[in-house]
Formats: sequence, C-alpha cells, structure tokens
Amino acid sequence: ELKVEQNPLFLSMQEGKNYTIYCNYSTTSDRLYWYRQDPGKSLESLFVLLSNGAVKQEGRLMASLDTKARLSTLHITAAVHDLSATYFCAVQETSGSRLTFGEGTQLTVNP
Amino acid sequence: GAVVSQHPSRVICKSGTSVKIECRSLDFQATTMFWYRQFPKQSLMLMATSNEGSKATYEQGVEKDKFLINHASLTLSTLTVTSAHPEDSSFYICSAPEWREGNQPQHFGDGTRLSIL
Repeated sequence: ELKVEQNPLFLSMQEGKNYTIYCNYSTTSDRLYWYRQDPGKSLESLFVLLSNGAVKQEGRLMASLDTKARLSTLHITAAVHDLSATYFCAVQETSGSRLTFGEGTQLTVNP
Repeated sequence: GAVVSQHPSRVICKSGTSVKIECRSLDFQATTMFWYRQFPKQSLMLMATSNEGSKATYEQGVEKDKFLINHASLTLSTLTVTSAHPEDSSFYICSAPEWREGNQPQHFGDGTRLSIL
C-alpha cells in the first residue's frame, strides 16, 4: 500500500522568509503532483514532476523530485501573504492513474 | 478555463434524501474518473474509481450501495449519495486524468459541499 507523508503539517512563517515542505512516499513511483487548496475551494495544480531529478519553478515556489530517495520538496522563497493555503503532494502509482495524497501542509504567512 | 465541470457546487438537504453529483470532462475524454471525499482540516480520501462502461472500483470501507457511481459516457461520471445522513456531510471532489503523451495532468472539479440536516 502506497503511503505518502508530508511534513510539516502546519507551518507559520514570516513574509520574506524561506522554507521547505517535504513529501516522502513509500513505494516506487515516477509521477508526483503538488496542489494548492484555499479554504472552501478545490485543488489548484502547481507542479507535475515526472522523472528523477526533475525541478520545476513557478514564481516563489520550486518543486523537486528524487525518486531514489522517494522524496519531493516544495521550496518557498521570500514568502508573501498570498501564499497562505494548504499544500498537498500526491503520488501516482506506477500502475494506473490513481493518486494517494499526503496529509497536507497548512501554510500561514504572517506580515 | 475549467477542464472538469462538477455540479452542483453546494447542496443542503434533509436526512434521507438522495443526492446526485455530476462530473464532466470538457474537451477531453475520460475513461477513468476518481471520486474523493474531504472532511474539514483533512486530506482527500479516494472513495472510488469510476470506469466508463464497467463497474466502479470502491476503496476499502466505502459502501457501494450507499455511494452509487455511474460512468455512462466518456465525459460524464455521476456519484449518487443514497439516503444521505448527517455523517455524509462532506466536501466531494471528482478528478479526471487527461492522457497526453509524456504527461498526464489530473484535472479536479470545483467540488460539491454536501450538508445534510
């Protein structure tokens, strides 16, 4: 059974600071997703990471994937209040297209 | 624009009512769709995999007679919560993978907030 663990689960940070969210998973996979969820809303796709060593950046967010370590990171650079949300990683099994989600990281960026 | 359309966005109804939620893929065909349930402050939990032209596959602990899934066409899956009770109140989200060479984005609907009184 595929297990996905995120840490931290709660993150409170000041504007301008940097931080990293970690996503570990238990079995082989070569496709990992990062999503953002605002309160009361559905998921917004941030990144799809398809291969070992993949790195993608969009604005203040950068995601990477190490399939050998079964680890993905979401790095936040110079955080701003607008980044406050819950962030989920999700791992796709090698067979089929079902996703297993991490517990989510609730990020609060304080002025 | 949205590539997966989910309706309704919000339902409030009395206990014992059956509620149907629709999930449509726009501009692409989806032979598979997924239904998730999310309780407050929790992650998404997969309920079932909807398969076009065949029976849905339910996750362990999900009652198939309670949550009826129909995937009658390549662009539409429906989830019916039968005889809903307050404990069924939750946020229900569907998703559909879009098959593309070298990539497979998973598109999510806007979700349906179900409140059973």
